[in-house]
Amino acid sequence: ELKVEQNPLFLSMQEGKNYTIYCNYSTTSDRLYWYRQDPGKSLESLFVLLSNGAVKQEGRLMASLDTKARLSTLHITAAVHDLSATYFCAVEHSGAGSYQLTFGKGTKLSVIP
Amino acid sequence: EADIYQTPRYLVIGTGKKITLECSQTMGHDKMYWYQQDPGMELHLIHYSYGVNSTEKGDLSSESTVSRIRTEHFPLTLESARPSHTSQYLCASSEGLGDEQYFGPGTRLTVT
Repeated sequence: ELKVEQNPLFLSMQEGKNYTIYCNYSTTSDRLYWYRQDPGKSLESLFVLLSNGAVKQEGRLMASLDTKARLSTLHITAAVHDLSATYFCAVEHSGAGSYQLTFGKGTKLSVIP
Repeated sequence: EADIYQTPRYLVIGTGKKITLECSQTMGHDKMYWYQQDPGMELHLIHYSYGVNSTEKGDLSSESTVSRIRTEHFPLTLESARPSHTSQYLCASSEGLGDEQYFGPGTRLTVT
């Protein structure tokens, strides 16, 4: 059974600071997704990481994937209040013709002015 | 831009009622999914479909049922709602297996 662990689960940081969210998973997978969810809202896709060593950046967020270590990171640079949200990583696993996503518990980020 | 719709957005209903949550997408995606998410928690896959007349149960056991008669439509039905069904239900679709999933706005269900 695939397990996906995110840490930290809660993160309070000041504007302008940098921080990294970690996503570890327990079985082999080549695809990992990062999503953002605002309170009471649905999920918004941030990044799709498709291979070992993949790195993607959008604004103040950068995501990377190390399939050998089964680890993905979401790095926040010079945080601003608008980044306050819950961030989920999701790992794809396949078998018997099915492809499913297993989500981590999410990291609730609060950026304080 | 993803176009996936869910209705109703909010529903408060009494125990024992039958309900259907609607999900439609206009992208022509073959793959569709239903997730259940309790407040502040992770998403759990409860049903998925890879095409018309194809439905499967996900990792989380659910008393709900789904159907896929048309590509664009993937409704979820609870025959007899219970308070334990109170949750948010999110519908998603993707173009192909392993492709990025696009999520609808969700239905927040409360069973009293």
